[in-house]
Amino acid sequence: AQSVTQLGSHVSVSEGALVLLRCNYSSSVPPYLFWYVQYPNQGLQLLLKYTSAATLVKGINGFEAEFKKSETSFHLTKPSAHMSDAAEYFCAVTSPGATNKLIFGTGTLLAVQP
Amino acid sequence: SQTIHQWPATLVQPVGSPLSLECTVEGTSNPNLYWYRQAAGRGLQLLFYSVGIGQISSEVPQNLSASRPQDWQFILSSKKLLLSDSGFYLCAWTQRVGGELFFGEGSRLTVL
Repeated sequence: AQSVTQLGSHVSVSEGALVLLRCNYSSSVPPYLFWYVQYPNQGLQLLLKYTSAATLVKGINGFEAEFKKSETSFHLTKPSAHMSDAAEYFCAVTSPGATNKLIFGTGTLLAVQP
Repeated sequence: SQTIHQWPATLVQPVGSPLSLECTVEGTSNPNLYWYRQAAGRGLQLLFYSVGIGQISSEVPQNLSASRPQDWQFILSSKKLLLSDSGFYLCAWTQRVGGELFFGEGSRLTVL
């Protein structure tokens, strides 16, 4: 079975500071990994994905994530936080196949302080 | 381009009443379709998924059911709502390669 653990349900950073959101996965097969962002009362929007190509993945809005197999991690980073980055972030795992079921973490709520 | 629509966006229902949430996907054929529920502080829970017309897989035994009468249509239903059915329901689709899900805007259900 696959699973995802997001460390820290709430993270607060100052505007302009580094954003680091942690995600560790468990998978018995090579995983596909995703980060999604959710603004209040909206659906989820894909930030970036890892599908076994380059281990450093760049996404939208200046975010990037690095797949580290030895650490079973896929942490999300952004060099400089912006007020508009305040949202909830979800890490998810799946493996290629007919059903493509995504298993999500419990989310990290990012607050950006002025 | 592909689009996904969910409705209603918000509804308030009494305990014991029926439920029908609808999701449609345009601009693609044979998508995989999913219903997730999001409860506060609990992330997203996969409820049902479908790989084709009439094919429904249930992930969690519960008070809800799903149907896929058309390739582009996915319906979430209940005959009698419980208080615990309250939450934010999200429909999503994907093609069978690539893996990422594309989500609708969600339906917020409050059961009183």
